[in-house]
Amino acid sequence: NAGVMQNPRHLVRRRGQEARLRCSPMKGHSHVYWYRQLPEEGLKFMVYLQKENIIDESGMPKERFSAEFPKEGPSILRIQQVVRGDSAAYFCASSPGQGNQPQHFGDGTRLSIL
Amino acid sequence: RKEVEQDPGPFNVPEGATVAFNCTYSNSASQSFFWYRQDCRKEPKLLMSVYSSGNEDGRFTAQLNRASQYISLLIRDSKLSDSATYLCVVNTPSGGSYIPTFGRGTSLIVHP
Repeated sequence: NAGVMQNPRHLVRRRGQEARLRCSPMKGHSHVYWYRQLPEEGLKFMVYLQKENIIDESGMPKERFSAEFPKEGPSILRIQQVVRGDSAAYFCASSPGQGNQPQHFGDGTRLSIL
Repeated sequence: RKEVEQDPGPFNVPEGATVAFNCTYSNSASQSFFWYRQDCRKEPKLLMSVYSSGNEDGRFTAQLNRASQYISLLIRDSKLSDSATYLCVVNTPSGGSYIPTFGRGTSLIVHP
């Protein structure tokens, strides 16, 4: 499967724990985007990364959330000290570049906070 | 005013009907426009890109009106399998880059 790969598909954490979500972009794609979708809500942009660089993190909460896209390996979205309100579906998308190229999405990670 | 707005619906139509959705955007400097569909909280899937000249893919036709800042999606001869949420996406300027901004989606229900 050469698509965008996200894991885990489902993640359960207790309040105060850390959650790590991983995303491997499609082959040949160097741009990665993370989105959050709350129940009955639309997709909300969080962060846009290229290899080793955060391009735009205007949608990401300033505290507890961080993202990286290292030179080797998948992109990681990290949520520290999770709270109930972090429960959501987190989608990753990738594209080959900016401009008029569409994104392709992974299956998402469903995060549940107990 | 939200950057990308869509009528949430639901649009409830019989099989075979023609249905149209609109989506408006607020930033005139936006570039690149797309329609995605999302089924039952699964991942969004690209339906089609949208160009000023209009483009068609089978039963689906998309149009961009830059002057009025909206895009449209027309579905002809609706099928039961078209039932989904249709998401409008606009690449919106943000700093030195463009960020894909999603509308909240329009729900379509096609019934027998």
